Amino acid sequence: AQKVTQAQTEISVVEKEDVTLDCVYETRDTTYYLFWYKQPPSGELVFLIRRNSFDEQNEISGRYSWNFQKSTSSFNFTITASQVVDSAVYFCALSGRRGGSEKLVFGKGTKLTVNP
Amino acid sequence: GAVVSQHPSWVICKSGTSVKIECRSLDFQATTMFWYRQFPKQSLMLMATSNEGSKATYEQGVEKDKFLINHASLTLSTLTVTSAHPEDSSFYICSARGQGASYEQYFGPGTRLTVT
Repeated sequence: AQKVTQAQTEISVVEKEDVTLDCVYETRDTTYYLFWYKQPPSGELVFLIRRNSFDEQNEISGRYSWNFQKSTSSFNFTITASQVVDSAVYFCALSGRRGGSEKLVFGKGTKLTVNP
Repeated sequence: GAVVSQHPSWVICKSGTSVKIECRSLDFQATTMFWYRQFPKQSLMLMATSNEGSKATYEQGVEKDKFLINHASLTLSTLTVTSAHPEDSSFYICSARGQGASYEQYFGPGTRLTVT
């Protein structure tokens, strides 16, 4: 069975601090995809990144960066110099190819609050 | 591109009535659509997967007779909550996956259902 664990339920930081959101996953698939989504108070999910299991290169996009390590089954997300607008719930998700369903399994989410 | 809409964005209904939620892919053809449910402060849980022209596949524990899903065209899927009860109050989110090998799902903005 596939599982995503986001151990941090809530994180509170002060603006300009760096913050890392942890994500650990479990899957038996050799080919799988990992995702991060942002859900602001409005509720709409905002896609941030997709990474496939064969690509372990870290990625940086502006203030966002992702660290994918298959050896520890982790896909952590770091926000550098956080801003108040980063306040949201962040979900890590996993999709495999078993059965071709490609359904997403979400972690429980981490609520990030960035205080001014 | 890759815009998914949902209608209505929120709805209040009385217990015992039925409510229909529409999910549309506006600028692409969605061979597969997914319906998720999110209770307050919780994660997204997949309810069912629907492929155009065929019956939906429901996740374990989801009543197919209560949550009717119709994916009649490549741009429209509907979720009907029949005989709604207060415990069905939730945030319902659809996503759509286009044709091809991409595993990215495009999410709608969600529908907040309140059953009184």
